[in-house]
Amino acid sequence: GQNIDQPTEMTATEGAIVQINCTYQTSGFNGLFWYQQHAGEAPTFLSYNVLDGLEEKGRFSSFLSRSKGYSYLLLKELQMKDSASYLCASMDSNYQLIWGAGTKLIIKP
Amino acid sequence: IAGITQAPTSQILAAGRRMTLRCTQDMRHNAMYWYRQDLGLGLRLIHYSNTAGTTGKGEVPDGYSVSRANTDDFPLTLASAVPSQTSVYFCASSTHSQGSDEQFFGPGTRLTVL
Repeated sequence: GQNIDQPTEMTATEGAIVQINCTYQTSGFNGLFWYQQHAGEAPTFLSYNVLDGLEEKGRFSSFLSRSKGYSYLLLKELQMKDSASYLCASMDSNYQLIWGAGTKLIIKP
Repeated sequence: IAGITQAPTSQILAAGRRMTLRCTQDMRHNAMYWYRQDLGLGLRLIHYSNTAGTTGKGEVPDGYSVSRANTDDFPLTLASAVPSQTSVYFCASSTHSQGSDEQFFGPGTRLTVL
């Protein structure tokens, strides 16, 4: 079956670094997406990885290992506005996104 | 209109009633999607459309139908609502259905079926 696993909740301190892990198992693989979703709002795109390695975009970076079925999202210099849920999604062989349940990130001052 | 819009924002519906959720995008995107989001679960795809005139079934299509008469609109219909269809519904669109194209999401419709 198809499955995406990510932690339910994480807590971090303002100014610190946090890494949110995601493991995926899908029928085929056409890339790994990360989205951010603030409470009561729509998801918004953060990153896309299809090749192994690290993609850096400002304070956010995303890593992919296809052989391990593993990705992580790294958030640096955490700000209070980063408090949100972070959704991992794998694109399967039919180009459909299979979504994890999301990781709720709580930032404390 | 800028981006993707959904209507209504929220709705309380009696079981057995018919309901259409509306979705419109002005980005000329080819692909459109309907998801439901339930607490503790990931977004689940209900139906999708890769281009105007075509539709396909997603992971959880039962009890829902869609149409794609033109590029901009992608309505979702619940023929006879049941309480298990209580959820937040998101419409999304992307330039194409394949590859790295990000999906843009509408603000969502919160539906309660009693």
